[in-house]
Amino acid sequence: AQKVTQAQTEISVVEKEDVTLDCVYETRDTTYYLFWYKQPPSGELVFLIRRNSFDEQNEISGRYSWNFQKSTSSFNFTITASQVVDSAVYFCALSEASGSWGKLQFGAGTQVVVTP
Amino acid sequence: DVKVTQSSRYLVKRTGEKVFLECVQDMDHENMFWYRQDPGLGLRLIYFSYDVKMKEKGDIPEGYSVSREKKERFSLILESASTNQTSMYLCASSPLSGSANYGYTFGSGTRLTVV
Repeated sequence: AQKVTQAQTEISVVEKEDVTLDCVYETRDTTYYLFWYKQPPSGELVFLIRRNSFDEQNEISGRYSWNFQKSTSSFNFTITASQVVDSAVYFCALSEASGSWGKLQFGAGTQVVVTP
Repeated sequence: DVKVTQSSRYLVKRTGEKVFLECVQDMDHENMFWYRQDPGLGLRLIYFSYDVKMKEKGDIPEGYSVSREKKERFSLILESASTNQTSMYLCASSPLSGSANYGYTFGSGTRLTVV
């Protein structure tokens, strides 16, 4: 069963618009970790953020912000005032603490296209 | 600058060939992983290893094997390449201790085409 769902396949915006990427996860573990990665055209996945299941505090880092809500099993990601360099595929991922050896389970990814 | 290095960026192989994809990390990480990435499917785990000579199957191990003779190197082997193994292959590593806290460091990927 898909444990991480990114329902948006592609989002296109014009530069300076905000864009929100949705991520819904499924787990029975009480301890787990959520991640966002960015994959630019070069191909290498770049780590953006991790949250553990006990910390629901939302976070802002520059133009990036994350909204973690356990009640709805969601971990959404917003890029404020998007720029062309934000064009990439963004992946949400889940790691369950129980016996998983730190395996990450990824969503299908959301392609973000930012045009000038 | 810490790195995960995949030996080839692009690779074209013929059906039936034995294919080796190499991955080397310089961070002294215990865990290493091989994923394949396909459009609409995200990244799917093929195999992972948590120690030298140790390996575990991931979600889609069929048609693949792995080798980890040294801590820094993790090889993915396609025993007899088929066209449905055309894909992007990504290697990653993470420390064992608290690995779930740190996520992975990824290589740049190998785009394999089987003709």
